Amino acid sequence: DAGVIQSPRHEVTEMGQEVTLRCKPISGHDYLFWYRQTMMRGLELLIYFNNNVPIDDSGMPEDRFSAKMPNASFSTLKIQPSEPRDSAVYFCASSAGSKTGELFFGEGSRLTVL
Amino acid sequence: AQSVTQLDSHVSVSEGTPVLLRCNYSSSYSPSLFWYVQHPNKGLQLLLKYTSAATLVKGINGFEAEFKKSETSFHLTKPSAHMSDAAEYFCVVYSGGYNKLIFGAGTRLAVHP
Repeated sequence: DAGVIQSPRHEVTEMGQEVTLRCKPISGHDYLFWYRQTMMRGLELLIYFNNNVPIDDSGMPEDRFSAKMPNASFSTLKIQPSEPRDSAVYFCASSAGSKTGELFFGEGSRLTVL
Repeated sequence: AQSVTQLDSHVSVSEGTPVLLRCNYSSSYSPSLFWYVQHPNKGLQLLLKYTSAATLVKGINGFEAEFKKSETSFHLTKPSAHMSDAAEYFCVVYSGGYNKLIFGAGTRLAVHP
């Protein structure tokens, strides 16, 4: 299996622009997670899905952030409009089942908002 | 309430010497515990996990960890460090429910020749 695939790996944009990050989970995994990693706050869970349905979005910072999972093999995280404080590495992860606690992470999307 | 504390933000060792990365946890339930490793510019990768079977858990790349309930600890060890072990290591506690998966702040391991 190719693992969790994220794109783009790097994104540099200007404040106010829309940013879309993409994720393809491991085939057969029914949980998908979006995390944000910064030096100041470490790893934060933004939102997670089970069978394409959002289960907990309490970590989404504000209305500028939205996430969708239209099917089992694709998810997006969108920031509109972007701000410099959104600069971070965004990770997508997937998991099989609710009882394992074991996540498989993608390599991340490094976002820089100027 | 759950929490996890990694006692050292940075650890530096010489190649060939033992590694000890310390983790204490707090959980109201019998937790599952994990160690993940993150190499530079990479995602996190599972090193090992404890799920209430044997208290000494062996993982990849020669790492192991011992669950000590009396000390609420889950320290990560390796007998002999390799240059390729230089990375950031995260201790994680899980008590059911992915919104309760708690990551520690991380320990950055440096390995010197």
